[in-house]
Parts: sequence; C-alpha cells; structure tokens
Amino acid sequence: AQTVTQSQPEMSVQEAETVTLSCTYDTSESDYYLFWYKQPPSRQMILVIRQEAYKQQNATENRFSVNFQKAAKSFSLKISDSQLGDAAMYFCAYRSRFRYGGSQGNLIFGKGTKLSVKP
Amino acid sequence: DSGVTQTPKHLITATGQRVTLRCSPRSGDLSVYWYQQSLDQGLQFLIQYYNGEERAKGNILERFSAQQFPDLHSELNLSSLELGDSALYFCASSVLWGQGNEQFFGPGTRLTVL
Repeated sequence: AQTVTQSQPEMSVQEAETVTLSCTYDTSESDYYLFWYKQPPSRQMILVIRQEAYKQQNATENRFSVNFQKAAKSFSLKISDSQLGDAAMYFCAYRSRFRYGGSQGNLIFGKGTKLSVKP
Repeated sequence: DSGVTQTPKHLITATGQRVTLRCSPRSGDLSVYWYQQSLDQGLQFLIQYYNGEERAKGNILERFSAQQFPDLHSELNLSSLELGDSALYFCASSVLWGQGNEQFFGPGTRLTVL
C-alpha cells in the first residue's frame, strides 16, 4: 500500500521569504500523480500544484514550485515570496494512475504541515 | 468556490443516532469521493462512486454507507454514531475517474457527536 509522510508538523516563515515543505512517499508503482493541497482556516481544500510522475520537469504555479525526486520518492513544495494568505495547513497527496479493476483514483494524504507566516 | 456543494455545514447529534450527509458534485462530474478528516486519523478516503455505481472502498466502517443517485448527487449515511465519528466529512468530484482528473472538494460537513 502507498503511504505519504510529512515530517514537519509545523513550519514558520517570514513574510516575503521562501519556505520549503517536505514530503516523502512510498510506492511500488511507476506511474502516479502527486499533489499539494492547501487548507486555510476556512477548511476548504484547495489544490495548489500537481505533478505527473512520468514528467521529469518540476511543476510550477506562480510562487509555488515543487522539487520532484522520483528515485528518492521525495516531493517538496517551495513557496517563494511568502504572503500572509499562505498561512494554512498543507497536505501532500498521492494518487495511483487509474487502472481498470484496480485503483479508482482516490487520494492518499500525508498528516499535513501547518505553515505560519510572520509579518 | 469549487462548484461542489455539501449540506449541512454543521451537524450536532448524539451517540447512537443516524445522520445523512449530502453532496452535489460539479455540473458534469460523474465521480464522487467521500473523505473523512479527523484529528487522530487525518484525511482518509472512505468510498467512491462513479455514475451511480460504487467503484472503490477505503477505510469505511460497516456502520457507514453511501449511494449516488441518478441525478449524480451522493449521500453518506452514518449510523450508530460514536464519539469517534466526530470529524469533517468532505465530498470531492471529478469528471471521470483517475487519469489525472482533478478532484474538486466541497466545503465539508462538520459532524459533532455528543
């Protein structure tokens, strides 16, 4: 079974600085998807960024980028120019590639990292 | 706003009771996923439906059941409630299943069992 581990329960960053959140996962599959979700105090789950395992290029979305190391099974999230609105819980998630009769695409989440942004 | 709606937003009930949580997926989405978020277990997948049929089961208790109706809305039924069932229950929808389709999450239903 696949597992996702976020080893940093809490992180803090100064406004306008850069912070990196860590995530490792365990799988025997070669094709899958990885995601970072943000959960602000409103509790809404918001997709921040996603990475397809077959793509070597790291995904980027504005101030958010990932460092995907497939061999090391590592998927870290870098937030540049941190803003007060970035304060939230961040969840790393894994999803198997769909297979008929097998995985139907549910997400497997890590425990989350609570990010605080100091003004 | 993700386009996924969930009702009610909050639910307070007593142990032993039964409740129904409702989810309406985004227009055009055929797949619905239910997740439970609790302090001790984190975010866990419960069950998935696609176009009215159950497709996958996760860590769903036997006291819990779900269904997806012809209009594609879904209901999660929780019975013989225990204190430990207190959690935030999310519904997510996607166009198809897997294959890179993004899952859009609803705002969640906060269940408190007293």
